[in-house]
This record gives sequence, structure tokens and C-alpha cells, in this order.
Amino acid sequence: QSVLTQPPSASGTPGQRVSISCSGSSSNIGSNTVNWYQQLPGTAPKLLIYSDNQRPSGVPGRFSGSKSGTSASLAITGLQAEDEADYYCQSYDSSLRGWVFGGGTKLTVL
Amino acid sequence: QLQLEESGGGVVQPGGSLRLSCLTSGFTFHSYGMHWVRQAPGKGLEWVAFIWADESHMYYVDSVKGRFTISRDISKNMLYLQMNSLKTDDTAVYYCLREGKLSHGNNYYYPFENWGQGTLVTVSS
Repeated sequence: QSVLTQPPSASGTPGQRVSISCSGSSSNIGSNTVNWYQQLPGTAPKLLIYSDNQRPSGVPGRFSGSKSGTSASLAITGLQAEDEADYYCQSYDSSLRGWVFGGGTKLTVL
Repeated sequence: QLQLEESGGGVVQPGGSLRLSCLTSGFTFHSYGMHWVRQAPGKGLEWVAFIWADESHMYYVDSVKGRFTISRDISKNMLYLQMNSLKTDDTAVYYCLREGKLSHGNNYYYPFENWGQGTLVTVSS
């Protein structure tokens, strides 16, 4: 049971906009920043978004993050076949005194 | 170029021990905190342990407290994870990570920016 809650799956067709939600609590998302990771099959995760809505160098502008209260979202616009992957949200939990992840969302490009 | 290379994984019986190593290069090792994160087969990511740059503090997920110990050898640029009293639930790919340091405005943030390729630990009788 993950501390952060994500839908197990999401899907969209090429060119569409897809959003993945991440729900937490006041001790994690509500008081700390959120990061998002993309994991392609058989590879290590890759940082997509940090500090709620910032893209590291090299991450396409099609990926964006937002946060409100104790929830966060990752949006992907102009969906491409290569975006098919698992996506994870992550934050720090001040009560647990540790870093926490969502359970992951498997994105399928139809 | 930053590199993180894990080793030491393998098959071990329940109750056994294993020590994972992570050889680092391409950055000033003693200036960064280091993490271990694991991923059970077909499952999600789980943070396991963190050690401060100066080794003054270590933190663990509750499920491994008292069984796992994170440490580092600055002279060798190496990170370690000593795993004792292993359980079948510890079966996972273990990733070594350097804490990121990314800026936004006047602040720095520390996401999981740099990942190794992982090493597989299988706990089975």
C-alpha cells in the first residue's frame, strides 16, 4: 500500500492530452514538493518533473506538473507512442521522515 | 560524466545476508547525500535508505530498520547497503542514487535525478 495514491492505469490516443493524478496528505504533498518519474520497460526511472512543476534540462515541454493542496497531477500533451511507460509521483513525508512514492500508473498509448 | 554502478546482488536464502556496493564517479562523492531505492518484480518503487554527505545521519524505511545499514567509503567513492535477516519481501532490483541538486528561483531541490542500472536481489529458499 503506497503512501501516495495514483490510478493504476491511464490511456490515450496519439496527439491527445492525458493527465495522471497523485493524492497524498498534509505530511507529504501538502507540505513538500512533488517529483515525477517515467520508467520505460526494462530501464531505470528518469526524472520528468521536480519541485511540482519544473522540467529538468532535456525533458520535452509536452510534460507538465501541477499541485493543489494535497494532490498533484502530471499532464502529457500531444501524446506519442514513445510515452508508453510507467509514471510515478514522489514526495517527502515529514511524519514518516522518509521519501515516498505513488504506486505507479501504467500509461498505454492506443 | 556521472556514473553509478551497483553490484553484489544475487540469490540468498531467507535469514541470510548480502552487501550491495555502488561504485560512483564523475562527481564529488563527499559532497552529496546518497540513496538506495528498490523495486520488487512487477511492482512500484520504494525508497529504502539515505545517508548524508557527511555520514552524520542515516534514514531508513520502517520495513528495513534494524536489518539494513547504509554506509559510504569516501576514499573509494563507494556506497554500500548491508542487508541482514533478509526476507522474501526484500526481493527486488536495488538502485543506487545520488541526490539531485536542481535550482528553481533562489532555492535548491533534491529529487532522485541520477539512477544506477540496478542490481537484482532474490531472497528465496
